[in-house]
Amino acid sequence: GQNIDQPTEMTATEGAIVQINCTYQTSGFNGLFWYQQHAGEAPTFLSYNVLDGLEEKGRFSSFLSRSKGYSYLLLKELQMKDSASYLCAAMDSNYQLIWGAGTKLIIKP
Amino acid sequence: IAGITQAPTSQILAAGRRMTLRCTQDMRHNAMYWYRQDLGLGLRLIHYSNTAGTTGKGEVPDGYSVSRANTDDFPLTLASAVPSQTSVYFCASSDLTSGGPDTQYFGPGTRLTVL
Repeated sequence: GQNIDQPTEMTATEGAIVQINCTYQTSGFNGLFWYQQHAGEAPTFLSYNVLDGLEEKGRFSSFLSRSKGYSYLLLKELQMKDSASYLCAAMDSNYQLIWGAGTKLIIKP
Repeated sequence: IAGITQAPTSQILAAGRRMTLRCTQDMRHNAMYWYRQDLGLGLRLIHYSNTAGTTGKGEVPDGYSVSRANTDDFPLTLASAVPSQTSVYFCASSDLTSGGPDTQYFGPGTRLTVL
């Protein structure tokens, strides 16, 4: 079957770095997406990886290892506004997104 | 303002009633999607449409129907609502012709409660 695993909740300190891991198992693979979702709001696109390696975009970076079925989202210089849920989603061979349940990130001052 | 709109924002509905959730996008995206989001679960695809005039079933289509008469609109209908359909519903769209990643863009959501 198809499955996405990510931690339910993580806590980090303002100004620090946090890494949110995601493992996936899909029928075929056409890329890995990360979205941010603030409470009561819609998911918003953060990053996309289809090749192995690290993609950096400002304070946020995303890594992919296709052979391991593994990705992580790295958030640097954490700010209080980064408190949100982070959703990992893998695109399968039918170009459908398979979503993880999300990781709730709590930032403490 | 470009983007996706959904209506209503929230709704309380009696079981057995019929309800249509509206979704409109002005980005001229060819693909549109309906998801439900429940606590502790990932977004689950209900129905999708890759282009106007065509629709497909997602992971959890039972009890829901959709239509895609034109590019902009993608309504979701609950023919006879049941309490298990209480959820937050998100509409999304993507441009499958861009040549880039099929990034999906989401509407603000509809919070539906079925009593």
